[in-house]
Amino acid sequence: QVQLQESGPGLVKPSQTLSLTCIVSSASISGGNYYWSWIRQPSGKGLEWIGDIHYSGSTHYNPSLKSRASVSVDTSKNQFSLRLSSVTAADTAVYFCARAKRDPWYFDYWGQGTLVTVSS
Amino acid sequence: DIQMTQSPSSVSASVGDRVIIICRASQDVSTWLDWYQWKPGKAPKLLIYAASSLPSGVPSRFSGSGSGTEFTLTIDSLQPEDFATYFCQQAKSFPFTFGPGTKVDLK
Repeated sequence: QVQLQESGPGLVKPSQTLSLTCIVSSASISGGNYYWSWIRQPSGKGLEWIGDIHYSGSTHYNPSLKSRASVSVDTSKNQFSLRLSSVTAADTAVYFCARAKRDPWYFDYWGQGTLVTVSS
Repeated sequence: DIQMTQSPSSVSASVGDRVIIICRASQDVSTWLDWYQWKPGKAPKLLIYAASSLPSGVPSRFSGSGSGTEFTLTIDSLQPEDFATYFCQQAKSFPFTFGPGTKVDLK
């Protein structure tokens, strides 16, 4: 069973950079036609897709984040990461990592999510 | 971006009931529509992909239908473990977008 687990600080100060890592178990991040994704849910709001990365380095991002998001992959550690710069209170959310299968696209495995609060 | 809506936003039901959830897209997404189940504190679970395909391991009481802009998720004979929030997601174009969710709770 593929497992994903998010990790990172639960509290980030405004204007700083949010950094999260997703550790993947029971699947190789370098195998298959999968995109490794980040999704978030602000409190009381719906899910928002942030972006994804293929192990080859190909990425997609949500334009709503105005280039603040960056997703990277570390195949040697079988993990991928999210960096979100210049955070504000509006970035407070539960952040999920997920695996996306391509053609047709769907998220077949998700992490449990981690709450990140932006506050001074 | 493609906007997704769901109705109802919540539904109260009993074990054994049939529950139908509707998802609408603001533009044609063909059959690029997925459904997920989410329980608090747990990882969301894929229920349906490509509008009507059931992943391995998902009970057959779950079914999906539709194409274009209107889709339905049907749960036949609701079971105790089915009380959860369900949301749809379009996979037609980036950025992928999600419906706001439908909470199914115990009547």
